Amino acid sequence: GQSLEQPSEVTAVEGAIVQINCTYQTSGFYGLSWYQQHDGGAPTFLSYNALDGLEETGRFSSFLSRSDSYGYLLLQELQMKDSASYFCAVSRGSARQLTFGSGTQLTVLP
Amino acid sequence: NAGVTQTPKFQVLKTGQSMTLQCAQDMNHEYMSWYRQDPGMGLRLIHYSVGAGITDQGEVPNGYNVSRSTTEDFPLRLLSAAPSQTSVYFCASSYSGGAVEQYFGPGTRLTVT
Repeated sequence: GQSLEQPSEVTAVEGAIVQINCTYQTSGFYGLSWYQQHDGGAPTFLSYNALDGLEETGRFSSFLSRSDSYGYLLLQELQMKDSASYFCAVSRGSARQLTFGSGTQLTVLP
Repeated sequence: NAGVTQTPKFQVLKTGQSMTLQCAQDMNHEYMSWYRQDPGMGLRLIHYSVGAGITDQGEVPNGYNVSRSTTEDFPLRLLSAAPSQTSVYFCASSYSGGAVEQYFGPGTRLTVT
């Protein structure tokens, strides 16, 4: 089967940097995705890593180490609007279907 | 473009009733999928489709049926609703499976009493 582990909660202050880790165990791994979900809203895509290394998109960066079955999402210059749940998800199988972690609730304090 | 649309937004069912959750997308995506999300948890894949006429089971398919007669539509049918199916249901689409950006609909909040 598959399993993903990520912290359930993280708290940080505005302007800070926060890292959300994700470790996974799965067969047929293709890549690691990150999604953001605000309360009551739909998930929205943040990033996808298929190869080892760091991908940067504005204030957000995502890292993958396939050999360690580990990735992280790095959020810089935190803003109040970044308060949300963040999910890592592995893509696997013939259709690269997603298996999601349980999510990390990020609270940004003023 | 409307993106991914879902109807209804809210639904209350009695145990044993059946219903269909509708999902449509106007982005000509081949891949569509249904997830359920229970409080404080991640999304779990129910069923997915890689194109019209092709569907397959995800992690939690029991109690649900799907069909894909057109590229645009991917309805999810609850055969005989149970309280354990109380959840938020999200439909998603992408042009190529889960390895690229998936676009999610706004969700359907279902309560089974």
